[in-house]
Amino acid sequence: GESVGLHLPTLSVQEGDNSIINCAYSNSASDYFIWYKQESGKGPQFIIDIRSNMDKRQGQRVTVLLNKTVKHLSLQIAATQPGDSAVYFCAVGLGGYQKVTFGTGTKLQVIP
Amino acid sequence: NAGVMQNPRHLVRRRGQEARLRCSPMKGHSHVYWYRQLPEEGLKFMVYLQKENIIDESGMPKERFSAEFPKEGPSILRIQQVVRGDSAAYFCASSPGQGLQPQHFGDGTRLSIL
Repeated sequence: GESVGLHLPTLSVQEGDNSIINCAYSNSASDYFIWYKQESGKGPQFIIDIRSNMDKRQGQRVTVLLNKTVKHLSLQIAATQPGDSAVYFCAVGLGGYQKVTFGTGTKLQVIP
Repeated sequence: NAGVMQNPRHLVRRRGQEARLRCSPMKGHSHVYWYRQLPEEGLKFMVYLQKENIIDESGMPKERFSAEFPKEGPSILRIQQVVRGDSAAYFCASSPGQGLQPQHFGDGTRLSIL
């Protein structure tokens, strides 16, 4: 099976600073990784994904890093803004099967 | 609206009643997933469906819970004889079903059991 954990349940960041949210997974065969953002009262919103044949992928203000050696995934948010305040989940998939396993989430609080 | 649509957004039921939660996937998506989320927790997988087929129901309780995704119409998550412990947010997601594609979520149905 797959278990997914987050290193910190809550992360407080000053506005304008960079944020780093971490995720560890257990199954070395996992090959698809996704980050979601969930605001209060809403469903998870897709941010960025990465496949196991890559170790870095960049989006708009976000970067995902994948270290398969230590089974670790991180989401970096540049120049964090108040609108980035939310709970962030990593999700891990295996073998092309559409089912993914979600981590418990990290709450990002941006201090104005 | 091209997103995943769930209704109702809020549902209140008394113990013993039935709850029916509906999900219309994004246009062009043929795969639907249901998740359950308790406050301050992550999403727990319940069931994965394609049109007219249940692919994986390993996260569904053995009793009282059922799901369907008919050829026409939305996917339905049905909870019979609800109990207090069924109170949660239920999220539906959909994906195209081709290759590694992210699931896209609706805004959920918040089920409250009196």
